[in-house]
Amino acid sequence: GDSVTQMEGPVTLSEEAFLTINCTYTATGYPSLFWYVQYPGEGLQLLLKATKADDKGSNKGFEATYRKETTSFHLEKGSVQVSDSAVYFCALRRNAGNMLTFGGGTRLMVKP
Amino acid sequence: DAGITQSPRHKVTETGTPVTLRCHQTENHRYMYWYRQDPGHGLRLIHYSYGVKDTDKGEVSDGYSVSRSKTEDFLLTLESATSSQTSVYFCAISRYDEAFFGQGTRLTVV
Repeated sequence: GDSVTQMEGPVTLSEEAFLTINCTYTATGYPSLFWYVQYPGEGLQLLLKATKADDKGSNKGFEATYRKETTSFHLEKGSVQVSDSAVYFCALRRNAGNMLTFGGGTRLMVKP
Repeated sequence: DAGITQSPRHKVTETGTPVTLRCHQTENHRYMYWYRQDPGHGLRLIHYSYGVKDTDKGEVSDGYSVSRSKTEDFLLTLESATSSQTSVYFCAISRYDEAFFGQGTRLTVV
């Protein structure tokens, strides 16, 4: 079945550091890929998405490129802020039922 | 904001008791989902619904049942709560190709 694997955290960075959170997936066909963010005490919010190979999703300075050849969708940001501290989830969706399959989540902590 | 309200937000219950969690949406979306969130597992799908009275099982459905008698409400029931069902439960709706989540219900089974 479908699965998503992302790097375990927590990831601790200093403000203005470069961020990479790795995500790889296993799925049949051509899934859509997503990054969701969860701030403390809240539900998940969509951060960015990509629906086909070589698409780049971007939002709030975060980027991720859909790499079908490596089945990856790594999240990057050039300069993190304290306010980026949150848990980040990589997810995929095949069309059937619009259901999402999530990775285990990566907690990011950014220190001033 | 997709108008999703979960209730209660927090609940402590005893092992063996029935518990019902409610998800209410205001936008008449067809698809609704219940997920549970546990450390190291991300979110796992419990049940989902694709219309009134139309529901199906997800990855971790054992011990849970759902009902959807109205478009706007999707209920999750733990028939006899166990400690392994201590978790944070999230309801979600699907709008176009994006999922929107409620704020979650933290359930503790003691």
